[in-house]
Amino acid sequence: AQKVTQAQTEISVVEKEDVTLDCVYETRDTTYYLFWYKQPPSGELVFLIRRNSFDEQNEISGRYSWNFQKSTSSFNFTITASQVVDSAVYFCALKGGGADGLTFGKGTHLIIQP
Amino acid sequence: KAGVTQTPRYLIKTRGQQVTLSCSPISGHRSVSWYQQTPGQGLQFLFEYFSETQRNKGNFPGRFSGRQFSNSRSEMNVSTLELGDSALYLCASSLDGLGYTFGSGTRLTVV
Repeated sequence: AQKVTQAQTEISVVEKEDVTLDCVYETRDTTYYLFWYKQPPSGELVFLIRRNSFDEQNEISGRYSWNFQKSTSSFNFTITASQVVDSAVYFCALKGGGADGLTFGKGTHLIIQP
Repeated sequence: KAGVTQTPRYLIKTRGQQVTLSCSPISGHRSVSWYQQTPGQGLQFLFEYFSETQRNKGNFPGRFSGRQFSNSRSEMNVSTLELGDSALYLCASSLDGLGYTFGSGTRLTVV
């Protein structure tokens, strides 16, 4: 069975601080995909990134960066110089190599205070 | 291009009734999947359709069903509603089965 754990239920920081959201996953598949989604209060899940299990390169997109480490089964997400608009619930998700749907973590509620 | 459209946005139903939710995927996307989001269980996979065929189903009772039409639009149906079915139902469309674009969801309240 697949599992995604986001141990941080809620994080609150002051604007301009850096913040890292943790994600640990479990899967027996050798080919799998990892995702991060952002869910603002409107409810829509906004896609942020997808990585496959064979690509361990870290990625940076503006203020966002992701650290994928297969050795620790982690796919952590860092926001640099956080802004109030970053406030949302962030979900990490896993998809195995088969036709299964996405397995989501419970989400981390990120609060950026001005 | 238009995103994923889910209708209605909000719905209130009574226990025992049935409900049908609709999802129109992004043009050209043939895969549609459904998820249920509740405060207790989080986001859970319901089922996925590709070219009118159900490819996989999550761990939900038979009261939850779906279908996909030839134009890739999908509907999901929940029969004999229970209070615990109150949730945000999200639909996602995909071109390649790997990249998912989600709609804004239908918030169902069962009273």
